[in-house]
Amino acid sequence: AQTVTQSQPEMSVQEAETVTLSCTYDTSENNYYLFWYKQPPSRQMILVIRQEAYKQQNATENRFSVNFQKAAKSFSLKISDSQLGDTAMYFCAFMKFDNNDMRFGAGTRLTVKP
Amino acid sequence: DAGVTQSPTHLIKTRGQHVTLRCSPISGHKSVSWYQQVLGQGPQFIFQYYEKEERGRGNFPDRFSARQFPNYSSELNVNALLLGDSALYLCASSSTGNSNTEAFFGQGTRLTVV
Repeated sequence: AQTVTQSQPEMSVQEAETVTLSCTYDTSENNYYLFWYKQPPSRQMILVIRQEAYKQQNATENRFSVNFQKAAKSFSLKISDSQLGDTAMYFCAFMKFDNNDMRFGAGTRLTVKP
Repeated sequence: DAGVTQSPTHLIKTRGQHVTLRCSPISGHKSVSWYQQVLGQGPQFIFQYYEKEERGRGNFPDRFSARQFPNYSSELNVNALLLGDSALYLCASSSTGNSNTEAFFGQGTRLTVV
């Protein structure tokens, strides 16, 4: 079974600074997808970034980038130039290549302070 | 364009009752997935439907059932409600239901069982 672990229940960062959220996962699969989702108080899950396991290059989306270490089964999210609107719960998620069962971690509550 | 819409937004039910939650996917999306998010945890996969057929089922009891209609909207039904069924129920739609297409989430239905 696949499991996703987020070891940081809460984090905070000053506006304009950089923060890194950690995620590790356990799987015997070789092909899979990894995701970071943001869930603000509005409750809607919003996709932040996605990484295909077969791609060695780390995914980036504007201020968001990942450090994907396949051998270590690690998938951390770096948020640069943090903004107040980044305050939210962040969930790391895993999905097998041929499956639609997305497994989520327990989440990290990020607070961006002015 | 309308996103994924879920109804109702909030619901209070008594133990032993039955509940039906509804989801309308983004126009053109043929796949709908349901997730349960207990307070303080990440979402857990319940079902996925594609073209009106069940494609995946998570580790939930038979009290949970779902269906998808010809217009691709979906219902999640829960019988014999337990206090532990209190959660945010999220619906996600995608165009193909394959793991390489992005899933878009609704704002969820907050179910409270008393």
